Amino acid sequence: DAKTTQPPSMDCAEGRAANLPCNHSTISGNEYVYWYRQIHSQGPQYIIHGLKNNETNEMASLIITEDRKSSTLILPHATLRDTAVYYCIVSRVSGGYNKLIFGAGTRLAVHP
Amino acid sequence: GAVVSQHPSRVICKSGTSVKIECRSLDFQATTMFWYRQFPKKSLMLMATSNEGSKATYEQGVEKDKFLINHASLTLSTLTVTSAHPEDSSFYICSAVGRMGNEKLFFGSGTQLSVL
Repeated sequence: DAKTTQPPSMDCAEGRAANLPCNHSTISGNEYVYWYRQIHSQGPQYIIHGLKNNETNEMASLIITEDRKSSTLILPHATLRDTAVYYCIVSRVSGGYNKLIFGAGTRLAVHP
Repeated sequence: GAVVSQHPSRVICKSGTSVKIECRSLDFQATTMFWYRQFPKKSLMLMATSNEGSKATYEQGVEKDKFLINHASLTLSTLTVTSAHPEDSSFYICSAVGRMGNEKLFFGSGTQLSVL
């Protein structure tokens, strides 16, 4: 599975948009981009995933570049509760499931 | 969304004892479950893949006799840490994927194991 590169930490003011970048230059054609987040001492929470097209749900938007070598997770109006470690993972379905390998992630701190 | 329940959330045990952690999919059938461990301020490390009715597949470096995994039904997988030692103290997390080969995984809330 392709590896990802994320900045180790980011800050964001409450109410502003948080844009979290992720590089995945070795992604292959059948690999999805997934975003999860982990709030301290809890299990990871699914945020969003996509293959080629940009995606939006009630939590966030995912922007994938045309060459698919990078993506950006956008939290449109960050709140203090969005403070967490955000993981960008690239994976594909194989044998009926996909195996998620977590990297170091980005520690997002939302401040008042 | 789908719910994965993990129990217990916290356990403290003496060195040399065995500890069992349960992972249940509450509203879907999970053909495959994954077990991770996480040390403080570190990322999740995949330990093993558990398929219902078959032996688990362990990642390189994970001792299968130390970490026993049983996935006897479509809604339950268990991880038993045998003869636990202080270095086994960690946060253990399970995740599950449904029968439809869902693209996304759902995670349990984790179990904090402390071995004295």
